Amino acid sequence: QKEVEQNSGPLSVPEGAIASLNCTYSDRGSQSFFWYRQYSGKSPELIMFIYSNGDKEDGRFTAQLNKASQYVSLLIRDSQPSDSATYLCAVYGGSQGNLIFGKGTKLSVKP
Amino acid sequence: GAVVSQHPSRVICKSGTSVKIECRSLDFQATTMFWYRQFPKQSLMLMATSNEGSKATYEQGVEKDKFLINHASLTLSTLTVTSAHPEDSSFYICSASRTGTKTQYFGPGTRLLVL
Repeated sequence: QKEVEQNSGPLSVPEGAIASLNCTYSDRGSQSFFWYRQYSGKSPELIMFIYSNGDKEDGRFTAQLNKASQYVSLLIRDSQPSDSATYLCAVYGGSQGNLIFGKGTKLSVKP
Repeated sequence: GAVVSQHPSRVICKSGTSVKIECRSLDFQATTMFWYRQFPKQSLMLMATSNEGSKATYEQGVEKDKFLINHASLTLSTLTVTSAHPEDSSFYICSASRTGTKTQYFGPGTRLLVL
């Protein structure tokens, strides 16, 4: 059973701080990793994906991947109240080409 | 872009009726589309994977005769909830992947309320 684990939170950070969201996965052969953001009552929206070990930056977001540790993280710099949402980690690896989603981490950015 | 639409956004129906939800990829072709269900304050649950021109693959515990999926073209998949009951009330979300890629783009979701 392939699993993706996330701390459910809530993770509370002050405005302007760095929010660090973490995710571990069980399938060592996984190659593709995705972060989605889901606001309450809305569907998920893609933030970014990462395939290679190391860091990948996109604006205020940085995804970090460590395949040896089976660990992927998302850093949000200069956190804003509008970043308050649930962040879903997803790993490509289903038999039908589907993504395996974690249960999500709820982030709250306090003004 | 990669825009996925769903219709309707919200539907209320009586118990025993059937409801059809459409999922369209507006600016790309999607060989594979996915249907999810999400109950309040719970995580996404994959219901089925839909491939254009072939039968959908359902996750364990999802009744294929109750949740009919048709993926007749590279831009359209439909989910029909047959003989809906109040326990089927949920947020149904589709996603689509560009042909040959793994990234899924989600539609805005359909909120179903069965009375």
